[in-house]
Parts: sequence; C-alpha cells; structure tokens
Amino acid sequence: QSVLIQPPSVSGTPGQRVTISCSGSSSNIGSHSVNWYQQFPGTAPKLLIYSTNQRPSGVPDRFSGSKSGTSASLAISGLQSEDEADYYCAAWDDRMNGPGVFGGGTKLTVL
Amino acid sequence: QVQLQESGPGLVKPSQTLSLTCTVSGGSIRSGDYHWSWIRQPPGKGLEWIGYIYYSGNTYYNPSLKSRVTISVNTSKNQFSLKLNSVTAADTAVYYCVRFDSSGYYHDAFDIWGQGTMVTVSS
Repeated sequence: QSVLIQPPSVSGTPGQRVTISCSGSSSNIGSHSVNWYQQFPGTAPKLLIYSTNQRPSGVPDRFSGSKSGTSASLAISGLQSEDEADYYCAAWDDRMNGPGVFGGGTKLTVL
Repeated sequence: QVQLQESGPGLVKPSQTLSLTCTVSGGSIRSGDYHWSWIRQPPGKGLEWIGYIYYSGNTYYNPSLKSRVTISVNTSKNQFSLKLNSVTAADTAVYYCVRFDSSGYYHDAFDIWGQGTMVTVSS
C-alpha cells in the first residue's frame, strides 16, 4: 500500500485534457512540494514536474501540476499518443524523514 | 552531463546479500547539492525509496528497510553502493541509482536516474 494514493488508470482521447490525482496527508503533500515522474515501459522514470508546478527544461507546457491541501494533481492538455505512460507522484514525508514517498502510479492510456 | 550506471549481479540466492554499485560520470559525487539514492521497482509495481547518502557519508534509510540496508560512498572512485542483506523473493526488483537534488535547481526531486538493473532473488 503506497503512502500517496493515485488512481490505477486514466484514459483519454487525443486532444483531450486529463488529470491524475494524488492524495496524501499533512506529513507529506500538506507540508511539502510534490514531484511527478513519467515512466515508459522498460525505461527509468523521468522527472516531469518539480516543486509542485515547475517543468524541467524540455517538458512541454501541456503538462502542469497543482496542489490543494493534502492533494495534488497532474494535468495533461492536448493529449498525444506519446503521452501514454505511467505517472508517479512523490513528496517528502516528515514521518519517514525522507524524500521518497511515492504514489502507486497511474497508467495513462490514449484511446 | 551527469550520468549514473548501476552494476552488480543479476541473480542472488535467498538469505544472501544483494550488492550493487553506482558509478557517477560527468560530475563529482562530492557536490554539496545532492544526495545519492537507491530506488527499486518490483516487476509490475510502483517505486520504493530505499535510502540515500551524502558525499560525507551521512546516510538516511527508509524505515521499512533500515535493518537490512547499508549504503556507502567511495568518493575517490565517484561511486556509491548498496547492500541489502537477508534477501527474499520480495526483494526481486529493478534497482535504480538516482541523484536527489536536495538544494540545487530541482530542489527536493530525484532529477537524474540510472537505467536500472534487474535483480532476481532465486535459488
């Protein structure tokens, strides 16, 4: 059971906007910024969003992040077939006193 | 450009010790902005942070694994290592070495990942 809770799967059609939720608690999302990672099959995860809503260089502005209270969201607008991947949220956790609490991951399917 | 590369046995027997090394290239492991981490991913499952180490040798472990984990650093070789003892089939996973940006540009994020290495625990 992951500390952060994500839906196992979401889907959308090309051009659509989809969101992936990430639910935590006061010891993680409620007190700290959230990061999102994108993982394609057979490859290592890649940092997609950091500090809740910042994009690393090279990440399209179709990807955006937000947070409210103890929940965070990743939004993908103008959905493209190459966005089909697994997405993980992560945050620092005060109880663990460490950075590595992850969500269970969400599989995004582009129909 | 900093790159990380894992190395070590792909097969470990139950009750034995899993040992992996991560070689950092393109940058110094002594950079004060980063911690050097291990993260694993069982087949078909999510990510689990194992722990990390600072170049000075300070370590921080996931409480759920702390009793079995040792992470060490060799600054002269620009490497850090993972030892996980008393392994069982539940430790079968892809193991990633990862840079954690603790005070740099990507504050509090895992910003650079190795390609990962599959370790199977089986007799």
